[in-house]
Amino acid sequence: GENVEQHPSTLSVQEGDSAVIKCTYSDSASNYFPWYKQELGKRPQLIIDIRSNVGEKKDQRIAVTLNKTAKHFSLHITETQPEDSAVYFCAASTAGNTPLVFGKGTRLSVIA
Amino acid sequence: GAVVSQHPSWVICKSGTSVKIECRSLDFQATTMFWYRQFPKQSLMLMATSNEGSKATYEQGVEKDKFLINHASLTLSTLTVTSAHPEDSSFYICSAPDLSGTSGNEQYFGPGTRLTVT
Repeated sequence: GENVEQHPSTLSVQEGDSAVIKCTYSDSASNYFPWYKQELGKRPQLIIDIRSNVGEKKDQRIAVTLNKTAKHFSLHITETQPEDSAVYFCAASTAGNTPLVFGKGTRLSVIA
Repeated sequence: GAVVSQHPSWVICKSGTSVKIECRSLDFQATTMFWYRQFPKQSLMLMATSNEGSKATYEQGVEKDKFLINHASLTLSTLTVTSAHPEDSSFYICSAPDLSGTSGNEQYFGPGTRLTVT
């Protein structure tokens, strides 16, 4: 089955700097790669996603890149702000009615 | 986007009792729902896939007789933790894809249920 690896497990950046989180996946059939932000005690919140027919997607300060050949995808947050501090999870899945496989998460701390 | 609700949001129960958690898709039909469990400072781990009108499929290591899943309608799946023990204390989250929408892969998460077994 699918296996998703995520790095780093913790990341501290100064406010205004960029943050990059990387994930790799094992199943070449995976075609959907979402990123979630989770605050303590709350549900994961989708922040951006990418499908395998696209190499890059951007939404304001957040961008995701996908390299299907290497089976890795990355989250880029620019101009980080203290409110970006949270745990971020990457995930992968195939068809819409298949479950997501999550990475282990990255705890991002943005220091003011 | 689509909305998934979960009830209760938190529950405290005594060891040996059973607890039922409901997951509802409010504005779409969900033939499939997923149940995840998240322990503190860990990731979401899939427990089982709930299929409307048929038996749930469980992940390896998840006891189907302990975690009973019923998906009796297109908008409701329930997870019953039977004979709960302190090690079952966790955050339980359901999700469902809205396959009728344009973003067929997107999963919509419920708000989660914090279970504490004393």
